[in-house]
Amino acid sequence: GESVGLHLPTLSVQEGDNSIINCAYSNSASDYFIWYKQESGKGPQFIIDIRSNMDKRQGQRVTVLLNKTVKHLSLQIAATQPGDSAVYFCAENKPPNNNAGNMLTFGGGTRLMVKP
Amino acid sequence: GAGVSQSPRYKVAKRGQDVALRCDPISGHVSLFWYQQALGQGPEFLTYFQNEAQLDKSGLPSDRFFAERPEGSVSTLKIQRTQQEDSAVYLCASSLAGNQETQYFGPGTRLLVL
Repeated sequence: GESVGLHLPTLSVQEGDNSIINCAYSNSASDYFIWYKQESGKGPQFIIDIRSNMDKRQGQRVTVLLNKTVKHLSLQIAATQPGDSAVYFCAENKPPNNNAGNMLTFGGGTRLMVKP
Repeated sequence: GAGVSQSPRYKVAKRGQDVALRCDPISGHVSLFWYQQALGQGPEFLTYFQNEAQLDKSGLPSDRFFAERPEGSVSTLKIQRTQQEDSAVYLCASSLAGNQETQYFGPGTRLLVL
């Protein structure tokens, strides 16, 4: 079936370095993408989103890049801090088909570990 | 303002017991979603409400799972005759409108079925 997946299950970076977390999606009909951060024992926390009519969007210390040609999504975190340590999920949303399609489809997640 | 809240945060049930999980969405949010998250995996969709109407329940794994949102705000996910494979974190999310709106998640209810 169609799914959202990630290339790397675990990413370890040095504090202060930039982090890049990648995600591949297979549903070409998806037109809205979100990155979530999930810390242990907590629910997913919204980081940044992007719609398919854009290829880049920037937030505070984070940038999301969307390459529709190769169906690839990435999250860049600048100057990674220990508080960034968490599991990161990308999620996709496709246009609704009648009442269905409003749900998010999540990938398996990448664990980011920040070394002091 | 207040985010999505869920209760209880933890629930231990004996196999065969019924459980009820509550979700209080962000005030004014029309859409409400339930997801199930197994350990080490991403959340998986269960069901979706727009106001009080359950528009999509395609993700509910069996007829033991039932969800309602009778007044278009608080929602309850009920699991009857719980099984060990029901052990997971149950997440609730709400969004202001419907499609392509940011979904904000609650902390989840961690269910352990013994």
